[in-house]
Amino acid sequence: QSALTQPASVSGSPGQSITISCTGTSSDIGGYKYVSWYQQHPGKAPKLMIYEVSNRPSGVSNRFSGSKSGNTASLTISGLQAEDEADYYCSSYVSSSTWVFGGGTKVTVL
Amino acid sequence: EVQLVESGGGLVQPGGSLRLSCATSGFILSRYWMHWVRQGPGKGLVWVSRINRDGSSTTYADSVKGRFTISRDNAKNTLHLQINSLRAEDTAVYYCVRDTSSHFDYWGPGTLVTVSS
Repeated sequence: QSALTQPASVSGSPGQSITISCTGTSSDIGGYKYVSWYQQHPGKAPKLMIYEVSNRPSGVSNRFSGSKSGNTASLTISGLQAEDEADYYCSSYVSSSTWVFGGGTKVTVL
Repeated sequence: EVQLVESGGGLVQPGGSLRLSCATSGFILSRYWMHWVRQGPGKGLVWVSRINRDGSSTTYADSVKGRFTISRDNAKNTLHLQINSLRAEDTAVYYCVRDTSSHFDYWGPGTLVTVSS
């Protein structure tokens, strides 16, 4: 149950686009469609942003999009805004009803 | 409105035990798998445990297997996590989380467990 690999930090200027990668193996990300992404502001509970690789829950801005290629999933935030500054975590179903999270990425809006 | 509210956290000595609870409302608990996820101070999210709809099947992260027990009472709309043989590394905020098709769509605010002598 090793954590998925995310960059520790990503930054961008307002209006720019950034992409956060999440790398796993064929036993997790590469093997299932159940990849999701969560946004967490300091002191708050995580919030679901993307599920099943690329689906957005109702109420989540269409500036957030997800994709997957092989064992790597990605979250892209376009038109970066100050409110997007937060920690982001990826997650994947692994097998036998277990799950794993990434180590988290701190997004800074310059 | 879906709500999840954890309780039962606190300060406990190494080797001690706690029982965390999660009161749910706004949805029919028996229709959903449920999970516990924890987050150590300044650290990332870690999946802890999952229980199926009727409580007949449970799974755990290797780090807690044999020490933690997840359970549920659908009639009382409540999820539980019994945590035994606590270690310093179990210090974390513990979140109660609803599962919809293998993603976590609703989270409680969390309850803090601190293991220290």
